[in-house]
Amino acid sequence: DAGVIQSPRHEVTEMGQEVTLRCKPISGHDYLFWYRQTMMRGLELLIYFNNNVPIDDSGMPEDRFSAKMPNASFSTLKIQPSEPRDSAVYFCASKSMGGYTFGSGTRLTVV
Amino acid sequence: GESVGLHLPTLSVQEGDNSIINCAYSNSASDYFIWYKQESGKGPQFIIDIRSNMDKRQGQRVTVLLNKTVKHLSLQIAATQPGDSAVYFCAETGGQAGTALIFGKGTTLSVSS
Repeated sequence: DAGVIQSPRHEVTEMGQEVTLRCKPISGHDYLFWYRQTMMRGLELLIYFNNNVPIDDSGMPEDRFSAKMPNASFSTLKIQPSEPRDSAVYFCASKSMGGYTFGSGTRLTVV
Repeated sequence: GESVGLHLPTLSVQEGDNSIINCAYSNSASDYFIWYKQESGKGPQFIIDIRSNMDKRQGQRVTVLLNKTVKHLSLQIAATQPGDSAVYFCAETGGQAGTALIFGKGTTLSVSS
């Protein structure tokens, strides 16, 4: 199994641009989570899905953030427009009865 | 609010020493706890977990202790090695957190040889 796959690994964009982060969960996992990691705030839960349905999006910072899961094998996190304070590492994780598995993250830098 | 926190942000030990990393949690309804290790440039990696109906669980070189009375969690690493150098996070789930993991801010473990 290739694990949770995130793309891109690194993204540098200019303020105001749209950014889309992608995640492929492990096949058969029925939960998918998006986290953001910064030095100041640590690992924060943004949103999670169960069977492709968003369950809790209370961690999404503001309307500039949106997440979708059109099918069991793909999810996106979109930021539009991006701001410098969105710079962080974004992790995707998926879960089955066997536990949680994290991807390697996308390091986003907004300049 | 509900949160999981760590007592010390950094811990420095010598190779071969035993390390103890502590964590305090505030949600008494949490029923599942996990310790993660995160190396630079990587995602959190599972180390060991424990459910609220247990107070101790052992793995290879690692032991997790859970004290529900004072809502305290600890990770003990025996014979610490340079490869153990990383940031360690405790995470909780259950209660209001539901299925999602709620993380503490992490402790950086530095092992010198």
